[in-house]
Amino acid sequence: GAGVSQSPSNKVTEKGKDVELRCDPISGHTALYWYRQRLGQGLEFLIYFQGNSAPDKSGLPSDRFSAERTGESVSTLTIQRTQQEDSAVYLCASSLDRGRTGNTIYFGEGSWLTVV
Amino acid sequence: DAKTTQPPSMDCAEGRAANLPCNHSTISGNEYVYWYRQIHSQGPQYIIHGLKNNETNEMASLIITEDRKSSTLILPHATLRDTAVYYCIARANNAGNMLTFGGGTRLMVKP
Repeated sequence: GAGVSQSPSNKVTEKGKDVELRCDPISGHTALYWYRQRLGQGLEFLIYFQGNSAPDKSGLPSDRFSAERTGESVSTLTIQRTQQEDSAVYLCASSLDRGRTGNTIYFGEGSWLTVV
Repeated sequence: DAKTTQPPSMDCAEGRAANLPCNHSTISGNEYVYWYRQIHSQGPQYIIHGLKNNETNEMASLIITEDRKSSTLILPHATLRDTAVYYCIARANNAGNMLTFGGGTRLMVKP
């Protein structure tokens, strides 16, 4: 696609429910990132996928958070038993490859999650 | 990523050039200067990047000093839609996954 696509753009869920957020990276981009941004705060790294390598999950805040990616395509971020502190915008980004000249990371518009 | 310093806020008149400075005095030789902006409630938008030469694209120009310790992002004809927070980042190609945005500069374009 022309850009990184995320869905849903907005999600309101009840505390304790599970949510799935989807990211469709730019075609051909092997690297995919998930970040979280709480209102008025900076980016918080969650997880990174690079091709078929094992993902870097070092940023996931708890075992309620998980993400999958099949090959170099769509990724899904799952939050189980949501809590109010999970309310944030979840940003997906992709890039061609780490190490290439000018490794520009492109972001999607984000999925706004509100846990009530 | 090298530390970057930007003024917290700037105003610019609509139609005039907006010049946004960034200091990165500890930048390493393999670190690129990237600029992103974030318009309220939207994902960060890539603007431009460069290593040591000045760069220009359809959105902006990037001027990097010869010693690479500072740079300036230029929006040649600012519009109201350019009101956003602008982030300057120094980042190597083999950088980790942490993309750290500092405080950035909140640019307010006024009619």
